[in-house]
Amino acid sequence: EPEVTQTPSHQVTQMGQEVILRCVPISNHLYFYWYRQILGQKVEFLVSFYNNEISEKSEIFDDQFSVERPDGSNFTLKIRSTKLEDSAMYFCATKSGGGAKNIQYFGAGTRLSVL
Amino acid sequence: GESVGLHLPTLSVQEGDNSIINCAYSNSASDYFIWYKQESGKGPQFIIDIRSNMDKRQGQRVTVLLNKTVKHLSLQIAATQPGDSAVYFCAENEDSWGKLQFGAGTQVVVTP
Repeated sequence: EPEVTQTPSHQVTQMGQEVILRCVPISNHLYFYWYRQILGQKVEFLVSFYNNEISEKSEIFDDQFSVERPDGSNFTLKIRSTKLEDSAMYFCATKSGGGAKNIQYFGAGTRLSVL
Repeated sequence: GESVGLHLPTLSVQEGDNSIINCAYSNSASDYFIWYKQESGKGPQFIIDIRSNMDKRQGQRVTVLLNKTVKHLSLQIAATQPGDSAVYFCAENEDSWGKLQFGAGTQVVVTP
């Protein structure tokens, strides 16, 4: 079964450093998402991306965050200057088609630890 | 604001029994709902979905019920197995771009 692949599985960084989280979507999927999950809490939406631009973003997704699909394959989430409160699991999700009623498939996540 | 939430944080179930996980939502405009299962260290895994024009949908050992009158969603798991132990999230699809709003999650623990 096709799957969303995320790397690295665990990223440890110092506060103030930049991190890039990577996601390889399922082939032919066109809609991409980042979510995060702080330990013990629910999954929270960060941003949606379609046709090489952000379609929607949450309040969490401030100027420190950016997304891009640099090579038409990988979908990346960059945090420019990490804060302690950025420590969380970050999930990439993708879906094939538009509209609300297509299933989003999630990757296994990247655990970000900011020290 | 609008939200999706769960009633019970932890559900302990004996192996072989049926499980029922509940979820309340407050956005009456929501028209698509999904249940995800999350095992430790993994990402959310799709279980089953339902559209607002349906009351019930069945999958393999799972059934989702939707009561739009009281804005309530439930997931029933038949003959619960040890492999069903996980956190279960209901999620609501809020817009055409597909943003998911997740509930708080219910931990299901299956005991022998």
